Amino acid sequence: ELKVEQNPLFLSMQEGKNYTIYCNYSTTSDRLYWYRQDPGKSLESLFVLLSNGAVKQEGRLMASLDTKARLSTLHITAAVHDLSATYFCAFLYNQGGKLIFGQGTELSVKP
Amino acid sequence: DTEVTQTPKHLVMGMTNKKSLKCEQHMGHRAMYWYKQKAKKPPELMFVYSYEKLSINESVPSRFSPECPNSSLLNLHLHALQPEDSALYLCASSQGGGGSPYEQYFGPGTRLTVT
Repeated sequence: ELKVEQNPLFLSMQEGKNYTIYCNYSTTSDRLYWYRQDPGKSLESLFVLLSNGAVKQEGRLMASLDTKARLSTLHITAAVHDLSATYFCAFLYNQGGKLIFGQGTELSVKP
Repeated sequence: DTEVTQTPKHLVMGMTNKKSLKCEQHMGHRAMYWYKQKAKKPPELMFVYSYEKLSINESVPSRFSPECPNSSLLNLHLHALQPEDSALYLCASSQGGGGSPYEQYFGPGTRLTVT
């Protein structure tokens, strides 16, 4: 079964603290994507991770990929309010370019 | 130009209406996608076009009919929809054909309400 499990599904964060979202996927893939979605808006691409051990950073967000463990993490450093959104990970299933999405993690940053 | 555009932004239609959603990209991408997204859920793939040919249909009901008139344009024709079809419809495109590893760029979506 093609499946992606994200946890936690909800994360209430305090400003200034660090947090991690985990993304486990069910089948071999070396293409992992992170997207952000604000309420009522479309998906914004954050990171594309293309190989085992890949690490990418943008501002307070850092994503990594372990293809052997089928695990990706999104680490948030010193959370700020404007990071409040829903974050999706997705892996590319090689058959026809199908993206398999996780359930999404809803982040809320409180002062 | 790294943009996918979609029209209209909002659409309200009755169950007997026929309407169309339009998606356009000018990035030279050869794969285009339709997704449906319900509130608080991830996007669900509906269709994939690769080099203007339908390559994936995720068992979507026939009241949704996709069309790819050329490499830049993707339409979704709607007919006899049900209220449960109300959702955000997202178009995306990517380099290469379907199956390529390139990231998908999403359009802003069409918010569809079926009354």
